[in-house]
Amino acid sequence: GAGVSQSPSNKVTEKGKDVELRCDPISGHTALYWYRQSLGQGLEFLIYFQGNSAPDKSGLPSDRFSAERTGGSVSTLTIQRTQQEDSAVYLCASSLIAGGPLFFGPGTRLTVL
Amino acid sequence: SQELEQSPQSLIVQEGKNLTINCTSSKTLYGLYWYKQKYGEGLIFLMMLQKGGEEKSHEKITAKLDEKKQQSSLHITASQPSHAGIYLCGADSSGTASKLTFGTGTRLQVTL
Repeated sequence: GAGVSQSPSNKVTEKGKDVELRCDPISGHTALYWYRQSLGQGLEFLIYFQGNSAPDKSGLPSDRFSAERTGGSVSTLTIQRTQQEDSAVYLCASSLIAGGPLFFGPGTRLTVL
Repeated sequence: SQELEQSPQSLIVQEGKNLTINCTSSKTLYGLYWYKQKYGEGLIFLMMLQKGGEEKSHEKITAKLDEKKQQSSLHITASQPSHAGIYLCGADSSGTASKLTFGTGTRLQVTL
């Protein structure tokens, strides 16, 4: 496809379970970002990948959150032992180069019961 | 961390009217990005501004960057129902765009 894709589009899980969210960036884009958007809140930066450089993990809210990017393309955001406060829309974005515009995916809506 | 304030928080305008949304940063702006979000959808990129005084237009939307004031404005001329949504500004305060900070958005409704 032409744009950033994310899966699943919706995820409902029970408190304490682990979840994996997937992001397929636009082909050829070197930079990949994860953000989350909670109800009534702005976008919160989580993590940034740029090429083969070490990722900027400064936005991850706790050690329950981790992300990886395999082969410079697909990325997976993992949340372990989910909590109700993790409920949010998780957005992935990619850009051709650092400093270029970010193109966002449709997001994954995570609900932790 | 960078603070971005958008004003107004919400706006209701009649179709055909002009409107302006402002985005003010507490830090130096190396790049300013405008996005639009409709309910249940992702963010749609509108424009990117990088130089002081830069102004860009696309259809009826114009964005300007005032580097000295650390502020950007988004102006919509002759608004239409299709302009309705949430407008978000994002800023790069590092110069590397590694961590864009976003404002909380301006919700725009356009009435007939």
